[in-house]
Order: sequence, then C-alpha cells, then structure tokens
Amino acid sequence: EVQVVESGGGLVKPGGSLRLSCAASGFIFKNAWMKWVRQAPGKGLEWVGRIKSKVNGGTTDYAAPVKGRFTISRDDSTNTLYLQLTSLKTEDTAVYYCTTGFYYDSPDFAYWGQGTLVTVSS
Amino acid sequence: QSALTQPPSASGSPGQSVTISCTGTSSDVGGYNFVSWYQQHPGKAPKLMIYEVNKRPSGVPDRFSGSKSGNTASLTVSGLQAEDEADYYCSSYAGSNNLVFGGGTKLTVL
Repeated sequence: EVQVVESGGGLVKPGGSLRLSCAASGFIFKNAWMKWVRQAPGKGLEWVGRIKSKVNGGTTDYAAPVKGRFTISRDDSTNTLYLQLTSLKTEDTAVYYCTTGFYYDSPDFAYWGQGTLVTVSS
Repeated sequence: QSALTQPPSASGSPGQSVTISCTGTSSDVGGYNFVSWYQQHPGKAPKLMIYEVNKRPSGVPDRFSGSKSGNTASLTVSGLQAEDEADYYCSSYAGSNNLVFGGGTKLTVL
C-alpha cells in the first residue's frame, strides 16, 4: 500500500524557516517524481513544486510564489522527501501535502498524505 | 501561471447528474491530455477521481467520468449520492514543468 506521511509543521515567525519531511513507503521511491501541494485555510489547492527522480536528473521546479524561497530535496536511501521553507510570509500559512503521481512521472496527484500545518504568524 | 477557472458551486438532487467545468487555455488544458480531478471532503486530503482527462483509478465509481473539449475539461457525476457532496478540483499540466489547479467547486447534493 502506498503511504506518504508528512511531518515538521508548526508555528514560525515571518521571515523564519522550517523544514518539512515526507516519509514514503509502498512504492519504489527512487523512481518517483515527488510533489508538494499546499492549501491555505478555507482556500483551494496550490501546487508548490516537484522533484524528478535522480535517473531523470533530479531537477526541481517551483510555483512562482515560492521560487527562490522554498527548496525541495530527496534522500532515496531513506525514502524521504523534504521541503525547506525560508523567508516565510504570512501567506505561506497552509496545510502542506506530499504527493506522487499515478505513474512514477505522471503530472497528477494520486497519493496524498494527511498533510502538515504550517502557520506563519508573529 | 493562472489558476484554472471552475464555477464556485454546483448542485443536484440525488439520482441526478451534474457537470463541473474547468476552463484553461491552449497552454494547459487545451494543450495536453493531462487533466485530473480531485474530490475533497472537509478536513480530509484530496482524492484522485480522474486522471489523463477520462481515466478512473480502481475503486472510483463509474458514476464519475471526465472529458475535454478545447480548453475546457469537465467532470460529470451521474446518479448523485449524498456522499458525493464535497469540493472538487481540477488540475492540468501547464507546460515548462508547471502544474496548475482550478479554484475548486463546492458540490451540494440537495
């Protein structure tokens, strides 16, 4: 069974940093293109970014609002995905979901974790 | 990348059919067959209902179907049931390694 479990959320001040983790199991993680999606309270879904598998270059892409502030990385030895959040703004307050596609490189979001809440407030 | 356009709300009575639209551009919905749809109940994670325009993952009832015409994709729910009441989001590949979601549609079963 595919499982992804996010952790690391919490309360942080504007301008601060936080690192989220996503523990994956039930599939060949090193082959998967992994994505982060966020959802602000009472709002819709927003794609944050994606990291390709290392065999496909391991490159990352980000949505415009987070580019230059957020960094996605992966550790295939521990089946863990990371999202480093820096220069946080109040508008980054959201539940952050770790996801992967129906196929390893699918541009969809087939498997979701329960999410981890990041609150940016002074 | 602008969000895809969905109606904020839709409704139907049990047993009826309802269709939710998702309008983009030739750079996203119209340019690729990578439109997907998600169902989200309050307080829960989204669930994939349709991928690649019209494919259903196993376990998703065949009451849910997807289609696309030009720059607009659609999700049709036939034989509405009370448990279909939820928020629905579309998503599309938008080229240049970007992905984009719609703003979401709240489906009410009357």
